[in-house]
Amino acid sequence: QQKVQQSPESLSVPEGGMASLNCTSSDRNFQYFWWYRQHSGEGPKALMSIFSDGDKKEGRFTAHLNKASLHVSLHIRDSQPSDSALYFCASMNYNQGKLIFGQGTKLSIKP
Amino acid sequence: DAGVTQTPRHEVAEKGQTIILKCEPVSGHNDLFWYRQTKIQGLELLSYFRSKSLMEDGGAFKDRFKAEMLNSSFSTLKIQPTEPKDSAVYLCASSLGVGTEVFFGKGTRLTVV
Repeated sequence: QQKVQQSPESLSVPEGGMASLNCTSSDRNFQYFWWYRQHSGEGPKALMSIFSDGDKKEGRFTAHLNKASLHVSLHIRDSQPSDSALYFCASMNYNQGKLIFGQGTKLSIKP
Repeated sequence: DAGVTQTPRHEVAEKGQTIILKCEPVSGHNDLFWYRQTKIQGLELLSYFRSKSLMEDGGAFKDRFKAEMLNSSFSTLKIQPTEPKDSAVYLCASSLGVGTEVFFGKGTRLTVV
């Protein structure tokens, strides 16, 4: 069964610092990735998708995908207190349309 | 445009009860998902509909969980009978189609006592 593993479980970063989150898919059929962010009391909201090898940058957020290892990372530069949230990685099987999520990384930004 | 609407936001059920959670997807979206969220497991896929057809029935969740799409703008998730281990947040989500952004509702927090 497809699994998505995220690390670390939790992360504390000083304000203005860089946060790095990791994610690995266990199934080569699930090689398209999304990053989602969830604030307390809300549903998850998409940050960005990455479907091709290499880097994709959107503002302060940069995702990196290595399809050979099915590993994706998310880097947040100049972290802000509002970035404190639960971050989910999700991998997708494009043929089936299924979107499978990891267990999440809790990010805390310390002022 | 309204987002994904879930009702109720909170539900308390006694063990053995039947509960029905409701979801209205974003207007015009073709795909609908039901997920269960817990701290240990994260987000687990329960059901997936594409253009009202059931594509994924959640494997291990099949026996007591049943999702239906009555029409393109309304879905329900029935849990029958409920057990204390079902206590979690249940999230409904929708998207235009494969590869497009999935939009989530705020969820229903279910507590089974």
